[in-house]
Amino acid sequence: GAGVSQSPSNKVTEKGKDVELRCDPISGHTALYWYRQSLGQGLEFLIYFQGNSAPDKSGLPSDRFSAERTGGSVSTLTIQRTQQEDSAVYLCASSQGLSGANVLTFGAGSRLTVL
Amino acid sequence: SQQGEEDPQALSIQEGENATMNCSYKTSINNLQWYRQNSGRGLVHLILIRSNEREKHSGRLRVTLDTSKKSSSLLITASRAADTASYFCAPRDGGSQGNLIFGKGTKLSVKP
Repeated sequence: GAGVSQSPSNKVTEKGKDVELRCDPISGHTALYWYRQSLGQGLEFLIYFQGNSAPDKSGLPSDRFSAERTGGSVSTLTIQRTQQEDSAVYLCASSQGLSGANVLTFGAGSRLTVL
Repeated sequence: SQQGEEDPQALSIQEGENATMNCSYKTSINNLQWYRQNSGRGLVHLILIRSNEREKHSGRLRVTLDTSKKSSSLLITASRAADTASYFCAPRDGGSQGNLIFGKGTKLSVKP
């Protein structure tokens, strides 16, 4: 597509429920990034996918968080047994990855509220 | 991957004034990128400066890079209320691949 698409744009869930957030990167972009931003804070890196390489999961805050990228395109970030501190905006970005300056294009984000 | 540190954390100016934000980093880079974020949503890429460049312009934006001091600055000239946003720098390590880590940003407020 023309841009990075994220869904849902807003999600309200109850503590303890699982949530899935979806990211559709720009077609042809081999690199995909997930970040988290709590209210008034900077961006916290979560996970990075590059082509067929093993993802860099070093930013995932706990084993309740996982992400996959199927077919080198769409990515899903899953948060199990959500906690109130998981409330944040989850941002996805993609870039060309292997060449060029690797400028990131961001989606509009998914705002998660855990009650 | 390394994180850039923006300074100041917050900046408040009047419309028409210039705004200068700084970024420091720790190790050698391939390039350094500046992004803007409005209203807590997605970031937008503003400008990229390569390690062999010292200055770059884009409209009212001017970015400088001093690799000896491991620092960069973003200057917005003749600021407008619409420039109100958070600004982030992101140093890209050598090889231009790999992760991109963002700092806490500079929150700019331009008052009409």
